[in-house]
Amino acid sequence: TQLLEQSPQFLSIQEGENLTVYCNSSSVFSSLQWYRQEPGEGPVLLVTVVTGGEVKKLKRLTFQFGDARKDSSLHITAAQPGDTGLYLCAGEVAGGTSYGKLTFGQGTILTVHP
Amino acid sequence: ETGVTQTPRHLVMGMTNKKSLKCEQHLGHNAMYWYKQSAKKPLELMFVYNFKEQTENNSVPSRFSPECPNSSHLFLHLHTLQPEDSALYLCASSQPPPAFFGQGTRLTVV
Repeated sequence: TQLLEQSPQFLSIQEGENLTVYCNSSSVFSSLQWYRQEPGEGPVLLVTVVTGGEVKKLKRLTFQFGDARKDSSLHITAAQPGDTGLYLCAGEVAGGTSYGKLTFGQGTILTVHP
Repeated sequence: ETGVTQTPRHLVMGMTNKKSLKCEQHLGHNAMYWYKQSAKKPLELMFVYNFKEQTENNSVPSRFSPECPNSSHLFLHLHTLQPEDSALYLCASSQPPPAFFGQGTRLTVV
């Protein structure tokens, strides 16, 4: 059973389209991170959300943390080819026993065609 | 430039070899981690170190042996690996989350 369910797993769109990636769980998270990873490289942190209902914007990317801190979404407006990559959500379970331990979703492979 | 540096970036080793992966963080963090990333699988946490002490071993086979001599350095010693151990091995550090990752070591076991 996957603790963090990320969807969709694959997304292929045209430049200029909008998209949303979802990350869902039955567990409560004290914090949730979104990362972007390119092939052969390590994940690069995009954002951290910690407060239920929090919304953060990073240029064309909008991140939202659910009110109950069990889910999150990443919305990209007017996608560009440079947005292509693997997007990962990761969370620290509230009340977890291991400091800083992150649980990762399966990832969403986004391809934006020119 | 990343605050977490991993070497080597690529490693090919035979099943009878012994090799080590190195990770160094320049962020002043007290927690360091090893993750394994295989094709079509989520990142798997392997080991957690807090203040140089191992606080989690996620049922990792003994052919993987971590070492944390100080809060800035983390090693992963490898011996008698199997082909299925081929993967991208990622080091990360945090204080507290989020975690910052190195660029990874692409390991191929032949």
